[in-house]
Amino acid sequence: DAKTTQPNSMESNEEEPVHLPCNHSTISGTDYIHWYRQLPSQGPEYVIHGLTSNVNNRMASLAIAEDRKSSTLILHRATLRDAAVYYCILREYYGQNFVFGPGTRLSVLP
Amino acid sequence: DAGVIQSPRHEVTEMGQEVTLRCKPISGHDYLFWYRQTMMRGLELLIYFNNNVPIDDSGMPEDRFSAKMPNASFSTLKIQPSEPRDSAVYFCASSISGTSVQETQYFGPGTRLLVL
Repeated sequence: DAKTTQPNSMESNEEEPVHLPCNHSTISGTDYIHWYRQLPSQGPEYVIHGLTSNVNNRMASLAIAEDRKSSTLILHRATLRDAAVYYCILREYYGQNFVFGPGTRLSVLP
Repeated sequence: DAGVIQSPRHEVTEMGQEVTLRCKPISGHDYLFWYRQTMMRGLELLIYFNNNVPIDDSGMPEDRFSAKMPNASFSTLKIQPSEPRDSAVYFCASSISGTSVQETQYFGPGTRLLVL
């Protein structure tokens, strides 16, 4: 499985944008980039995914580097509720399993 | 939609006892996954089912663990006998079709298991 590297933790102030980086230098051409997050005492929840182009949804934006070796999850205005562990995951084209790494623990300060 | 439902939410048992965790996937989802989360190992896939049939159980730690899916709306994960090292949060997830790389998995709230 292609691997991802994320910072262990990050901090942000409330109502400010947050950029969560993910490195995936061994990504293959058909791997999709998925982001999930896990709020305290809850199961992981889907945030966003993409292949090559930048993606936007109601929760976040995903910016993918042109060479696809890195990506950034963007929360446009962090709220206290966004404090969670964020996982960057590569999904193999013919694979089935999600492989969750340690993720980035985001703290949001009021 | 109620989402993925898991029961019990918390379970405390003594070493050697049998533990049964239950999961009801989202209606219409063909894939069901069981994960385990610990501080040491993070989130690990144990087993997954497609249309009630186990497809990959390579993540099941040992013979003490077994999982069944008797019908499309119910699955169990059983540990017999339980050991303290089995203490973890167990998550169930489901998806409409697991073969698509764009597929989203929906997770339940988890069962927090403590084996004394």
